[in-house]
Amino acid sequence: EVQLVESGGGLVQPGGSLRLSCAASGFTFSSYEMNWVRQAPGKGLEWILYISDSGSTIYYADSVKGRFTISRDNAKNSLYLQMNSLSAEDTAVYYCAREGVGTTHDVFDIWGQGTLVTVSS
Amino acid sequence: QAVLTQPSSLSASPGASASLTCTLRSDINVGTYRIYWYQQKPGSPPQYLLRYKSDSDKQQGSGVPSRFSGSKDASANAGILLISGLQSEDEADYYCMIWHISAWVFGGGTKLTVL
Repeated sequence: EVQLVESGGGLVQPGGSLRLSCAASGFTFSSYEMNWVRQAPGKGLEWILYISDSGSTIYYADSVKGRFTISRDNAKNSLYLQMNSLSAEDTAVYYCAREGVGTTHDVFDIWGQGTLVTVSS
Repeated sequence: QAVLTQPSSLSASPGASASLTCTLRSDINVGTYRIYWYQQKPGSPPQYLLRYKSDSDKQQGSGVPSRFSGSKDASANAGILLISGLQSEDEADYYCMIWHISAWVFGGGTKLTVL
């Protein structure tokens, strides 16, 4: 079964750091571009980060530039999100999402269930 | 002004059609963009519905019924998700998305109520 499973969410104090992971299974992870998308409670979707299949190309949303880092370990079928200097505005469910290939290129065709990050003192 | 603007809510009756709009900022020409549509139900991640740029460049998500279709209104500079034969299960949030200047951009979403 094609699957993405996020982990690492939780409660963190303002100014703190957190690292999220996204474990991929059921497909050749190294062949797919990946993204992180977040959703604040009761709010809409916000794309924050993209990484190419090889990891050589990364794009950031302005809202996280300089604070968040995306990386991947294709040998471990894993995607990561390092979050630093967290503030209350970063409180959200964080999803990892796969971009499809072929006819579904650029489509976010597989999403994880999400992991909740709460930034609060 | 936001890159993509969606009405916050829309209501329609079962069996009717609903037209969800995604208006691009005035300096961005809808004709040059592929517009992606996602559906999200409470407590679940989004699911891909379809992609539309033109009638010759469109893609339906796997398993997505044909009563979901995409189009554009060039005069309004907007992408449109048309849902025909509305069913109660279509009640959800709908998001449009484009790739714009090296970033994915989502619209604010439309909450569709079927009543």
